[in-house]
Amino acid sequence: EVQLVQSGAEVKKPGESLKISCKASGYSFTRSWIAWVRQMPGKGLEWMGIIYPGDSDTRYSPSFQGQVSISADKSINTAYLQWSSLKASDTAMYYCARHEGIASRMDVWGQGTTVTVSS
Amino acid sequence: QSVLTQPPSASGTPGQRVTISCSGSSSNIGSNYIYWYQQLPGTAPKLLIYRDNQRPSGVPDRFSGSKSGTSASLAIGGLRSEDEADYYCAAWDDSLSGCMFGGGTKLTVL
Repeated sequence: EVQLVQSGAEVKKPGESLKISCKASGYSFTRSWIAWVRQMPGKGLEWMGIIYPGDSDTRYSPSFQGQVSISADKSINTAYLQWSSLKASDTAMYYCARHEGIASRMDVWGQGTTVTVSS
Repeated sequence: QSVLTQPPSASGTPGQRVTISCSGSSSNIGSNYIYWYQQLPGTAPKLLIYRDNQRPSGVPDRFSGSKSGTSASLAIGGLRSEDEADYYCAAWDDSLSGCMFGGGTKLTVL
């Protein structure tokens, strides 16, 4: 079964760093892209960026460029989303999703990771 | 403000047919495939329609997609209470070099 399993909920303070994960199984991790999608409380979906684990080619939405870092470790089939200094406005649900191709469908989604940033 | 424009809400009674529109531009819908995602309350999004009008296995044929120029539509026939969800269109945008979502449409089954 193809699936993406994300790390658990996080509660952090402003200024702290954070790295959340997305572990893939059931398919060739290095042959598909992985995207990260943000959903702020009560709001819609926002595409943050994408990585190709095969060669670590990474693209960011202009809205998120410089705000987060996307990476992947193909030895353990895991993609990451990282912040160096969290803000309260980073409070959201974050989903990872498999992109068959860079401009293609997101056909498998993780269950989501809730990130709460509060002092 | 989203690059792709959807109505914020739609509604229908059981058995009815409803359509949800998605309007874009030549750099997204006009030159790339449209995708539709369904998000049931409290759950992750799910792929509903891909490549404008294709259904993944397991998606009922009550759901259909169409596209014309820079606009697209999702149609849901034989509306059921379990269709109550948020629906998002998405397309790659060549100008922004990224995937863009519509703002989402909340479907209420009356």
